Amino acid sequence: SQTIHQWPATLVQPVGSPLSLECTVEGTSNPNLYWYRQAAGRGLQLLFYSVGIGQISSEVPQNLSASRPQDRQFILSSKKLLLSDSGFYLCAWSVFRDTQYFGPGTRLTVL
Amino acid sequence: GDSVTQMEGPVTLSEEAFLTINCTYTATGYPSLFWYVQYPGEGLQLLLKATKADDKGSNKGFEATYRKETTSFHLEKGSVQVSDSAVYFCALLTSGTYKYIFGTGTRLKVLA
Repeated sequence: SQTIHQWPATLVQPVGSPLSLECTVEGTSNPNLYWYRQAAGRGLQLLFYSVGIGQISSEVPQNLSASRPQDRQFILSSKKLLLSDSGFYLCAWSVFRDTQYFGPGTRLTVL
Repeated sequence: GDSVTQMEGPVTLSEEAFLTINCTYTATGYPSLFWYVQYPGEGLQLLLKATKADDKGSNKGFEATYRKETTSFHLEKGSVQVSDSAVYFCALLTSGTYKYIFGTGTRLKVLA
């Protein structure tokens, strides 16, 4: 069966520090991968998605970036965090154009 | 562009009450439609889906019917439980893309 892992689960970082969030999927090949951000009490904002290794589509211009170094690994990064980067970050995967499956999320607090 | 509109929350119901959460969409072509549920501090879980007009998705007592004529996918449950308290998201996947578009979510609180 397929599983999706995200880490860390919780992160507290100072403004201006770098960020690296990792997401890995097991049990499937060539998944579509997604990063979303959910601000407190808000809906989901699509940040990036990838349909293959090295292919990244950015949805919202900001100080975040994403990379896909391996087929089932998706990384979200920032060189300098802003207060507005605080939120709940969710990774998700899908195959072809079917259901999307979500990871447990990373709660990021920028102080 | 494509979009999903959900009813504003929070929705507060007594246990065993009937639930309806409205969802309407705007999309070109023939999208697939989904309902997801999010419990506190967790990721989203698929609740049900429908991939073509007149399909009915169902799971755990929840149902939603894909109505192309009214561009709607309303979520219903005949008798809610305290354990159904969560945030519910309506979403669509437009034909020919890999992007899922989510509504803003509706918080449901069920009181014993």
